[in-house]
Amino acid sequence: QQQVKQSPQSLIVQKGGISIINCAYENTAFDYFPWYQQFPGKGPALLIAIRPDVSEKKEGRFTISFNKSAKQFSLHIMDSQPGDSATYFCAASYLNSGSARQLTFGSGTQLTVLP
Amino acid sequence: SAVISQKPSRDICQRGTSLTIQCQVDSQVTMMFWYRQQPGQSLTLIATANQGSEATYESGFVIDKFPISRPNLTFSTLTVSNMSPEDSSIYLCSVRPDRKNTEAFFGQGTRLTVV
Repeated sequence: QQQVKQSPQSLIVQKGGISIINCAYENTAFDYFPWYQQFPGKGPALLIAIRPDVSEKKEGRFTISFNKSAKQFSLHIMDSQPGDSATYFCAASYLNSGSARQLTFGSGTQLTVLP
Repeated sequence: SAVISQKPSRDICQRGTSLTIQCQVDSQVTMMFWYRQQPGQSLTLIATANQGSEATYESGFVIDKFPISRPNLTFSTLTVSNMSPEDSSIYLCSVRPDRKNTEAFFGQGTRLTVV
């Protein structure tokens, strides 16, 4: 119930194309859904995040679409660039019974944008 | 935001030995988190370290194997004890400095290879 399922495992996109990564969850207690970007040799960095009271959030070329009823959310990267090549993790967070915030990560998507 | 310095960035260690990883944050934070990221895999939480109390370990991780220190609000160490090749992984330090404890920041990670 704590899992966040992420797909695809890897994605290859041409420069200028749209990259789409999908995630699904079961636990309705999740109330914060961030996406992290990780370059080789670096730690993950927060890219964009959404709360379940909105259906979409856009920051530059990055958009999160959120479907609360389907318990799914996705990351869209518009006009994908070779510099976007990285591993992307979706995550979901909630406050547990002890009032501690739990953060669960998806399995990751390795994105390659071809020049 | 938070800037996290992790040392060492990488190491190659002999089986049976121990390695201590240091994590320094540029601001005071209540909780610090240690994650393991096995090659090509997602992030798995090892333990949560609160200043002034014992660390809380996740299922599958024990204090004897991964002792943690948290001497003050800006520093923590994780020791990987009695290492075996299965411990080869990236170890990441993380903090969530915002008041709602949602936004996670990560160090660059320590890439450990056990031979």
